[in-house]
Amino acid sequence: QKEVEQNSGPLSVPEGAIASLNCTYSDRGSQSFFWYRQYSGKSPELIMFIYSNGDKEDGRFTAQLNKASQYVSLLIRDSQPSDSATYLCAVNGKTSYDKVIFGPGTSLSVIP
Amino acid sequence: EPEVTQTPSHQVTQMGQEVILRCVPISNHLYFYWYRQILGQKVEFLVSFYNNEISEKSEIFDDQFSVERPDGSNFTLKIRSTKLEDSAMYFCASSERPAGNTEAFFGQGTRLTVV
Repeated sequence: QKEVEQNSGPLSVPEGAIASLNCTYSDRGSQSFFWYRQYSGKSPELIMFIYSNGDKEDGRFTAQLNKASQYVSLLIRDSQPSDSATYLCAVNGKTSYDKVIFGPGTSLSVIP
Repeated sequence: EPEVTQTPSHQVTQMGQEVILRCVPISNHLYFYWYRQILGQKVEFLVSFYNNEISEKSEIFDDQFSVERPDGSNFTLKIRSTKLEDSAMYFCASSERPAGNTEAFFGQGTRLTVV
C-alpha cells in the first residue's frame, strides 16, 4: 500500500471557485500533515500544516484532517490563476519525527 | 528573508563520476534534509541529519550516497559513482525543529543530469 495517495489530476476549476484537494495516508500513527505547493520547475513551499482533527484555516486555505479515516484535504476558496500549481500532501512517519513522506501531488489549473 | 541556498543549480556529469551537491541551510536551523525528485515523479525523502549525524535515511540512500557538514554553514550530498537513474532534481531543506512538527524550508534545487 502506498504511504500517501493523492488524485493526480489535473483538477480544473474556474477562477473564483473552490478547489478541493484530497489525500489519504496509510500510517495510522502519523501525527503531522502538511500541504506544500510546487510550481513547475520550482521547489516545494509550505502552505500550511495541521496536527489535530478538524479544520484549520489560513486566509483562503482550509486544511481538514480526519485521523479515523486517514484523510486530509485542502480547500482553496476564491481560486486565482496564480494558484495553478501542483499541491503536495506530506505526512510524517510514525517511527520518526523528522522523516516526512510526500504524496505524488495533484495538479491544479485555475481557469480565468 | 533567510533562505536555503543550493549550488550548482545544474550539474551534468558522466556515469560513474562522483558529484557533490552543496547546500547552505538557514543559519539558525538544526535539522537538515536531502530530497530528490525524478522528473514527473514525487518528492522522495533521502536523508535527515541532526547533531552531525544521520538521524534517518530511506532505502534510496544506499552506500553510494553520503552526507557531510564540513563546517558550520555547508551541508553536502555526495554521490560516489553516479548512475543514469540518479538524474533528478535534488532539494536540500532545513528546519529549526524536526520536520514532523514544523515547516521545512527548501532550497531551489540542483538539477543533476547523468549522461
